[in-house]
Amino acid sequence: EAGVTQFPSHSVIEKGQTVTLRCDPISGHDNLYWYRRVMGKEIKFLLHFVKESKQDESGMPNNRFLAERTGGTYSTLKVQPAELEDSGVYFCASSQGQVLLGSEAFFGQGTRLTVV
Amino acid sequence: QKEVEQNSGPLSVPEGAIASLNCTYSDRGSQSFFWYRQYSGKSPELIMFIYSNGDKEDGRFTAQLNKASQYVSLLIRDSQPSDSATYLCAMAPGGGNKLTFGTGTQLKVEL
Repeated sequence: EAGVTQFPSHSVIEKGQTVTLRCDPISGHDNLYWYRRVMGKEIKFLLHFVKESKQDESGMPNNRFLAERTGGTYSTLKVQPAELEDSGVYFCASSQGQVLLGSEAFFGQGTRLTVV
Repeated sequence: QKEVEQNSGPLSVPEGAIASLNCTYSDRGSQSFFWYRQYSGKSPELIMFIYSNGDKEDGRFTAQLNKASQYVSLLIRDSQPSDSATYLCAMAPGGGNKLTFGTGTQLKVEL
């Protein structure tokens, strides 16, 4: 069974440019999450989809970040325009059921974003 | 105060010893607690989930939860060099499905 797949694995862009990150969850997982880890800090929650609906987007830093999950399958996270402080590793995770009840959240390997 | 506190380490233990990793948290509403292991450059992977006070054992791993004292720990028995990784403590705040992580503790198991 394929795991959570993220693309690209690395991205280097200039400040002010746009970047789109993609996540393919495990097939059949309704729950999809985006997390981010900036240098030296903890992994922080960005948002949670249930199928195509945004369940919780309380962690999105500002309106330069836009996440979508068309058709409840893969998800994209767009940063426009990118700023230096957006640099970090962006993780996607998916789960079949509710994490709160112990359903395992499987993580992708992350996209390392560097804004110069 | 951080929501989840972990000693960043590195914690060095000899092969075969018991490694003890600790985590404290501030949200008394947290209901579910997780330990993830992350090898360098890889994705975090779940190794333990616990939600009741007390101990939970799975192979060489034991998770301990004390909600009154707001701490959760992970014991690794018979530590192996392959256990060398960063261990992330995480929890799901009450009523939510997002994970709140600590910064992780780096464990080194030495031959």
